[in-house]
Amino acid sequence: GQNIDQPTEMTATEGAIVQINCTYQTSGFNGLFWYQQHAGEAPTFLSYNVLDGLEEKGRFSSFLSRSKGYSYLLLKELQMKDSASYLCAVKRVRDSWGKLQFGAGTQVVVTP
Amino acid sequence: SAVISQKPSRDICQRGTSLTIQCQVDSQVTMMFWYRQQPGQSLTLIATANQGSEATYESGFVIDKFPISRPNLTFSTLTVSNLSPEDSSIYLCSVAWGQSSGANVLTFGAGSRLTVL
Repeated sequence: GQNIDQPTEMTATEGAIVQINCTYQTSGFNGLFWYQQHAGEAPTFLSYNVLDGLEEKGRFSSFLSRSKGYSYLLLKELQMKDSASYLCAVKRVRDSWGKLQFGAGTQVVVTP
Repeated sequence: SAVISQKPSRDICQRGTSLTIQCQVDSQVTMMFWYRQQPGQSLTLIATANQGSEATYESGFVIDKFPISRPNLTFSTLTVSNLSPEDSSIYLCSVAWGQSSGANVLTFGAGSRLTVL
C-alpha cells in the first residue's frame, strides 16, 4: 500500500517563502509530482522529481530524498495568485503514467 | 500538451438517476484516465479507458456503477449510475502527455462538478 502525507493548510504573507512538505510510504517508488489546483479549476503540473536533489523552476523549486521518502515544494516571492491547493502525487514503477497516488493537498493562503 | 474539453462543467441530479460526462481531447491518445475528487479529499483514479478494449477499473470501482465508453482515440464518456448523495464529487478526465524529460505528465480537464440531491 501507500501513504502520502502533507499538511492541510499553510498561511504566508505576500513576498515570503513557504515550504510544503510531503512524506510518502510506497513500494516500488518511481517518481513524485507536484500539482497546483486553484479553487474550482483542474490541477496543473508544477514539477516532477525522480532523482534525489533540488529542481528549480523560476519561483518554484521541488526537492526529493528517495531514502527518506520525503519531498518538499518551495514557493518563493509569494504572490496573491499563489493561493491554491498544492498536491503531492507519487508514481509507482508498476503503474502507468496515468495512475498516480495523490495526497489530500495543502491549501496555501497568501495574505497581503 | 493536450487540450481536454469536458462537459458538463457542473450538474445537479436527483438520486437514482444517472449522469454521463463527456471528455474530448485535441490529440489522439491510447489511454484516457477518469479521476474522482470528493470534497476535501485527494484525487482517486476510477478507471483507465482504453480504445478498443474494456476499461480497466481500480479497486473499489465497478463497471455497473461507472460504465465507460471509448469509441475512438480522442473521446470518452464516464457514466455515474444510480446516483446517491455519496457520488457528489468532481469527476476529472485526464491524459498522460510526454515531456522532454522522459516523464509523462497527467493533464486534466476542467472537471465536472456533480451534486446529488
